[in-house]
Amino acid sequence: GNSVTQMEGPVTLSEEAFLTINCTYTATGYPSLFWYVQYPGEGLQLLLKATKADDKGSNKGFEATYRKETTSFHLEKGSVQVSDSAVYFCALSPNDYKLSFGAGTTVTVRA
Amino acid sequence: GAVVSQHPSWVICKSGTSVKIECRSLDFQATTMFWYRQFPKQSLMLMATSNEGSKATYEQGVEKDKFLINHASLTLSTLTVTSAHPEDSSFYICSFLEGSKPQFFGPGTRLTVL
Repeated sequence: GNSVTQMEGPVTLSEEAFLTINCTYTATGYPSLFWYVQYPGEGLQLLLKATKADDKGSNKGFEATYRKETTSFHLEKGSVQVSDSAVYFCALSPNDYKLSFGAGTTVTVRA
Repeated sequence: GAVVSQHPSWVICKSGTSVKIECRSLDFQATTMFWYRQFPKQSLMLMATSNEGSKATYEQGVEKDKFLINHASLTLSTLTVTSAHPEDSSFYICSFLEGSKPQFFGPGTRLTVL
């Protein structure tokens, strides 16, 4: 079956630090891969996605590359801000609507 | 972006009672809705998929008679947890699908069963 494993948190960083959240997956076929973000008190929002191998998704300074050879989709941002404090979820979908999520990683950025 | 609301945001109930959670889309209509459950420090787990005007499709291991889903309209879905027990305490999250766009998620409802 499909599953997603992501780095356990919580992660605490200083502003302008480099952020990496690891995500690996197990799936049959070629799923789409996603990163969702949940800010305090809000619903999950799509941050970025990639639909095939070697695709790079990017948004708001965040990037993730679909690596089929390592079955990974690690999230990176070069310089985080306090406003990036949130819970980040890695997810996959074989058909773009039925999602399998990782456990979520809580990121706190301190000024 | 689209807005999805859930009500209540937090509910505490006694064991054996039923609890209804509402999920509304505020600015679009959706034919497909999803309900997820999230236990502490675990993944969101899909419980069921519902299409407006038809019965919900439940994931394996989810009791359809315990978790009643009513997709009342294109903007409203309800989840009723019947005869709730402490093991049903969880975070319940809904989402809507509008065409081919990514899912829009509600903020979640925390259920605590005493």
